Amino acid sequence: GNSVTQMEGPVTLSEEAFLTINCTYTATGYPSLFWYVQYPGEGLQLLLKATKADDKGSNKGFEATYRKETTSFHLEKGSVQVSDSAVYFCALSDRGSQGNLIFGKGTKLSVKP
Amino acid sequence: DGGITQSPKYLFRKEGQNVTLSCEQNLNHDAMYWYRQDPGQGLRLIYYSQIVNDFQKGDIAEGYSVSREKKESFPLTVTSAQKNPTAFYLCASSQGQVSYEQYFGPGTRLTVT
Repeated sequence: GNSVTQMEGPVTLSEEAFLTINCTYTATGYPSLFWYVQYPGEGLQLLLKATKADDKGSNKGFEATYRKETTSFHLEKGSVQVSDSAVYFCALSDRGSQGNLIFGKGTKLSVKP
Repeated sequence: DGGITQSPKYLFRKEGQNVTLSCEQNLNHDAMYWYRQDPGQGLRLIYYSQIVNDFQKGDIAEGYSVSREKKESFPLTVTSAQKNPTAFYLCASSQGQVSYEQYFGPGTRLTVT
């Protein structure tokens, strides 16, 4: 079945460091891909998305490119801030299950001043 | 402002009691979802509904029940049959087949003792 695999955390970086969180997927067909962010004690917020191969989603300095050849959707940010500390979830839409999302297990990011 | 509301934010119950978690959306979305999140874990799908008066079991439906009598409301009942109900519960909605991205509420933290 369809699945999403994220790099395990926690990830700890210093402020202004470069961030990469790896995400790979297994899917039949052509899923849409998403990154969500969850701040402590809150719900998930959609960070960015890509709906077809080679699309680049971007928001708030974060970027991810839909790579069909490597089945990946890695999240990147050039210079992280303390306020980026959160848990990040990669997800894909499962068209075989009426569009339900399949989530990775999440990666906790801590940014130190 | 459009969005999803969940109430209450924190809920405490004694073992053996049923409890109902509220979820309301004013986004005019057709589809609604309930997830469970345990500490340090990803999201697990409990129930989902693609249209009013219809809903389907997710991956962990045992011990839970839902109803979808109105488009904007999707309450979740945690029954006494749920063996480990203490968790963070998240409600989400989407436009369904139009767009698969889901929008989340702020969550309800349920503690059963």
